[in-house]
Amino acid sequence: GENVEQHPSTLSVQEGDSAVIKCTYSDSASNYFPWYKQELGKGPQLIIDIRSNVGEKKDQRIAVTLNKTAKHFSLHITETQPEDSAVYFCAASSETSYDKVIFGPGTSLSVIP
Amino acid sequence: DAGITQSPRHKVTETGTPVTLRCHQTENHRYMYWYRQDPGHGLRLIHYSYGVKDTDKGEVSDGYSVSRSKTEDFLLTLESATSSQTSVYFCAIGRGRDYDNEQFFGPGTRLTVL
Repeated sequence: GENVEQHPSTLSVQEGDSAVIKCTYSDSASNYFPWYKQELGKGPQLIIDIRSNVGEKKDQRIAVTLNKTAKHFSLHITETQPEDSAVYFCAASSETSYDKVIFGPGTSLSVIP
Repeated sequence: DAGITQSPRHKVTETGTPVTLRCHQTENHRYMYWYRQDPGHGLRLIHYSYGVKDTDKGEVSDGYSVSRSKTEDFLLTLESATSSQTSVYFCAIGRGRDYDNEQFFGPGTRLTVL
């Protein structure tokens, strides 16, 4: 089955700097890659996603890139703010297991004011 | 939290006792999921449902059972709780592949098994 790895597990950046979180997946049939943000004491919430027919997607300060050949995808957050501090999860879903989404282990991001 | 409630929000129980967690949605979504969240493991799928009385196992289903008798309710049961089942449990709902499998999560239930 699908396996999603995520690095780093923790990340600290100064406010205003950029943050990058990288993920790899194992199932070449995966075609949908969402990113979730989990604030303390809450459930995860979708912040951006990308499909396999797209190489990059942006939404204001966040962007996601996908390299299907290498089977990795990344989340980029620019001009970080203290409210970006949270745990971020990457995930993957495939046509062969379309009911399920497999999550990575998470990255705890701290933005230092 | 997208019309999803979980009950109880916190529970402490003893090893060997049965425990049932409830997930209730008001969104009429077809799919419902139970995950557990543990440090270093992220979110791991326990069981999911793709319709009333239609359920399937996830990656960590041993020791857990589920039931869905109504669209809005999805129950997770630990028949005989063990300390390894101490975790935070999240319910999620979704509309499936035609909607990119986007899932909406509930607030979570923190379960401690002593």
